[in-house]
Amino acid sequence: SQQGEEDPQALSIQEGENATMNCSYKTSINNLQWYRQNSGRGLVHLILIRSNEREKHSGRLRVTLDTSKKSSSLLITASRAADTASYFCATDEDAYGGSQGNLIFGKGTKLSVKP
Amino acid sequence: SQTIHQWPATLVQPVGSPLSLECTVEGTSNPNLYWYRQAAGRGLQLLFYSVGIGQISSEVPQNLSASRPQDRQFILSSKKLLLSDSGFYLCAWSRRGGRLDTQYFGPGTRLTVL
Repeated sequence: SQQGEEDPQALSIQEGENATMNCSYKTSINNLQWYRQNSGRGLVHLILIRSNEREKHSGRLRVTLDTSKKSSSLLITASRAADTASYFCATDEDAYGGSQGNLIFGKGTKLSVKP
Repeated sequence: SQTIHQWPATLVQPVGSPLSLECTVEGTSNPNLYWYRQAAGRGLQLLFYSVGIGQISSEVPQNLSASRPQDRQFILSSKKLLLSDSGFYLCAWSRRGGRLDTQYFGPGTRLTVL
């Protein structure tokens, strides 16, 4: 079943601008992760935020998590043309205090950064 | 360091032909292994996952099957391909544990069924 839903589906910005992508999910989670996929390639893990965390930073990336709203956002600051890719959120659903054992991925946001 | 390999990178097969895609992981032991399919412009659909040799869980009914003959080898198969099997197939691994952390993906196999 599809848990994460990214918004918007596509985003086009100029180099140097910030890009914000959102993810909503439906059930309780252990953690939420963001991945990046260049066209025709595998996914690369960007950042993980646990259910008891509210914000996390990694370089130009900032992720927030609001478990009351069941939503997360990924902010890429000072975007570059090389940031052009699809970005996916994925959730590890909480199953009776443990893990379901597999991530549930959203459909992704396609980001295009124009030089 | 850990690496994950998939082959072939691309494959064009006629309808009704068999399929075998292979995935191997190096540099880790007892990984969880996963097969995903990604249709054009879409998200990832989990097909199979495995927590150990010979242990396969299927997420969706289909004409595909998976096997794990060795700890770090995961194979996706079909006896007769359908047009709808076309897509981008991704293998991934993660560390075993009660809390699921990062999944590490292979480069993928682009399958076109004609």
